[in-house]
Amino acid sequence: KAGVTQTPRYLIKTRGQQVTLSCSPISGHRSVSWYQQTPGQGLQFLFEYFSETQRNKGNFPGRFSGRQFSNSRSEMNVSTLELGDSALYLCASSLELAGVIWPTDTQYFGPGTRLTVL
Amino acid sequence: AQSVAQPEDQVNVAEGNPLTVKCTYSVSGNPYLFWYVQYPNRGLQFLLKYITGDNLVKGSYGFEAEFNKSQTSFHLKKPSALVSDSALYFCAVRDEGSAGRRALTFGSGTRLQVQP
Repeated sequence: KAGVTQTPRYLIKTRGQQVTLSCSPISGHRSVSWYQQTPGQGLQFLFEYFSETQRNKGNFPGRFSGRQFSNSRSEMNVSTLELGDSALYLCASSLELAGVIWPTDTQYFGPGTRLTVL
Repeated sequence: AQSVAQPEDQVNVAEGNPLTVKCTYSVSGNPYLFWYVQYPNRGLQFLLKYITGDNLVKGSYGFEAEFNKSQTSFHLKKPSALVSDSALYFCAVRDEGSAGRRALTFGSGTRLQVQP
């Protein structure tokens, strides 16, 4: 079974631009989460989607947004890019079988998109 | 609020020796604990998780982790380290008491360096 895929793998943008990152979850997985990884702040939760609805959101400004499609694929968008948005953006998917206690569900991560803002 | 601490930024060990990467956690409800590994320019790979039951959890690539409720710890171990184990290791927790927030909370990471 193919893993989580993210496109593009690398992006270079300039301040003020906007960017869209894409994530395709493992086949059959219904939940998609996004995380930002930086050397200074570590791994921080951005948001989580399930059945095309945002279920949870981390402490990021409104410039960060996302959505999920009916096939569970997800995109995240960052508008008005700032230098501090340079990071590795990781997408993770989980199965969420009915009847399974949610904290036990494993998140499987994609390779990430490396965003550099100049 | 849930939190995870990885007290060591880096752990150095000789190949063939046992390794331990430390993790302590703080949660309000029952803890659900995970270990992930990250190789350069890669995403996080799942190693193992603790849900309930046996305090010793076995995972991928010969890794295991020991859950200790009284010490609120979940240390990652391997009996014999390989050079290829050199990577960045993350401990993460979910708190059953935080039903409204399903995200993993990660530690700051520990870099494992295995010398030949």
